Formats: sequence, C-alpha cells, structure tokens
Amino acid sequence: AQSVTQLGSHVSVSEGALVLLRCNYSSSVPPYLFWYVQYPNQGLQLLLKYTTGATLVKGINGFEAEFKKSETSFHLTKPSAHMSDAAEYFCAVNKAAGNKLTFGGGTRVLVKP
Amino acid sequence: NAGVMQNPRHLVRRRGQEARLRCSPMKGHSHVYWYRQLPEEGLKFMVYLQKENIIDESGMPKERFSAEFPKEGPSILRIQQVVRGDSAAYFCASSPPRTGDLNEQFFGPGTRLTVL
Repeated sequence: AQSVTQLGSHVSVSEGALVLLRCNYSSSVPPYLFWYVQYPNQGLQLLLKYTTGATLVKGINGFEAEFKKSETSFHLTKPSAHMSDAAEYFCAVNKAAGNKLTFGGGTRVLVKP
Repeated sequence: NAGVMQNPRHLVRRRGQEARLRCSPMKGHSHVYWYRQLPEEGLKFMVYLQKENIIDESGMPKERFSAEFPKEGPSILRIQQVVRGDSAAYFCASSPPRTGDLNEQFFGPGTRLTVL
C-alpha cells in the first residue's frame, strides 16, 4: 500500500522568502510522484511530476522538487515566494500509468507581504 | 481543447435525496477517476473507470454510491439517500490511454455538494 505524508498542514512565508514544502512517501515499487496546487474553490493544477530520469524536476511558476530515493522524499521548493503562491499544495503518488493517485493531507501556504 | 468539465459546480440536497454528479473528460481521454475531498482533508480516491468498465472501485463506500462511464456521454457519480457526511467536494480527473510516460491526470473544477 502507498501512503503520503506532508509535514505541516499550514506554512507561512514572507514574500521573497524560500518556500519549502515537505513530502515523504512509502511505496512498494518505484513511484511516480506529483505536486498539485489548488487555489480556493478550484480544481487541482499539476505543478510538476517525477516519473523516471533526472531526480531534480522543474515545474511551473518557478517551483522545483527533488526525488530522493534514500530518504523517500519529494520536497517542493521555490526560491522566492510571491503573493500569488498562496494556495494549498498536495503531494501525490501512484505506482504506474493509469493508476489511482494517493494524496497527502495538503499544506496550505500563506504569503505575508 | 476544453479541459475536464464537471457539472453542476454546486449542488444542494436535503437528506434522503439523490445526487448526480457529471464529468466530461478531456477529448481523447478514456480513463476517468473520481476523488472526494472532505473539509480540511486531502483528496481520497473513490473509483477508476474506463468506457463501460469499472476498473477499480476500492475507494467507493459500499452502500449508496455508484459510478458509471457509458459508451456515450459523461461519467456519472450517483449518491443515493444522501446524508450530511456526504457533504464534500467531488473531483473528476481524466487521463489518456496508457502511453508510457503519459500518466498525468487532469482535474476538473469539482462539484461541491452540500447536504442540508
């Protein structure tokens, strides 16, 4: 069985500061890993994904994440927060194409001016 | 190319009524997934369908919930005799047929169900 843990349900950062959202997973097989963003009352938008190959993945809006197999982690970072980054972020994992996603509990990001 | 469409966006039902949620996948997508997001929680998988087939319904409650994806028309998530605990946002996602790396699921805007 797969599981995803996101450390911290709420994160507050100052505009211009580093954003770091933590995600750890457990999976019995090499996973596919995803980060999604959800703005209020909207659906989920894919930020980035890791399937195979390079472990540092770059996504939209300046976000990136690094797959670390030894730590079973896929933390999301952005060097400089912008007010528009205020949203909820979900880490997710699945085993293979065409398979259900298992989501973490989400981290809500607040950006202070 | 329109994205995943869900309707209605908001649905209010009284306890005991039926709720029908519709999802039209992206053009060319033959896989549909339904997820439920309870207040202050992450998304939980409910069911995975392909045209006319339920592939995985391991996340569906055993009673009152059903889903279909007919040959023609949208996918339907049906909740009979709704209770207050069914109040949630229900998201549909679609993906193309399996083609190697292309396993991204595209999400719709969701249907927010409120049970009075």
